Amino acid sequence: QSALTQPPSASGSLGQSVTISCTGTSSDVGGYNYVSWYQQHPGKAPKLIIYDVTKRPSGVPDRFSGSKSGNTASLTVSGLQAEDETDYYCSSYAGRTYVFGTATKVTVL
Amino acid sequence: QVQLVESGGGVVQPGGSLRLSCAASGFTFSDYGMHWVRLPPGKGLEWVAVVSPLGTSQVYVDSVKGRFTISRDNSKNTVYLQMTSLRPEDTALYYCAKEVGDFTGLNDWGQGTMVIVSS
Repeated sequence: QSALTQPPSASGSLGQSVTISCTGTSSDVGGYNYVSWYQQHPGKAPKLIIYDVTKRPSGVPDRFSGSKSGNTASLTVSGLQAEDETDYYCSSYAGRTYVFGTATKVTVL
Repeated sequence: QVQLVESGGGVVQPGGSLRLSCAASGFTFSDYGMHWVRLPPGKGLEWVAVVSPLGTSQVYVDSVKGRFTISRDNSKNTVYLQMTSLRPEDTALYYCAKEVGDFTGLNDWGQGTMVIVSS
């Protein structure tokens, strides 16, 4: 039940794109198509932005997209906006349990 | 709309116990698995436990097995987390969350209740 590995930080210019990786193992990310991504602003509850690797909940802009290759999942935020600057977590089903990533702080330059 | 309201947090000494509650509304509670997730100060999110829609199955992260018990009362639309033998490393903001479906993302969250384990 080790945490999934994310880069501590990522950045992109206003209007550009940023991609965050999430690396696990064949027992979690690589074994199931149940990767989710969450956005968490300070002092607020996490918000689901991607689930089942690529699906977006209603109300989430299509600027947010997800993908997966092998044991690594990725979140891409296109057309970066100032309000996208915050923490992002990935998560995966791991066969009965679930595991979160180590968090990535996105900075909008 | 979906609303999840946690309560029961507080300050407790190491070895003590607390019971967290999460009152749900705005959806058919008995149709969804419910989770507890925690956020320790200065650290990242950690998944804690899940209970199945009818309460027949519970799964825990290794670090709380044997100490925490998740349960639910579908007649009261409430999920619980009974925490015993608390340790300083259990100090965190505890969120309850509703899943989209089996194995998948958590699309609704409460605002959390703070648990501080300290002497």
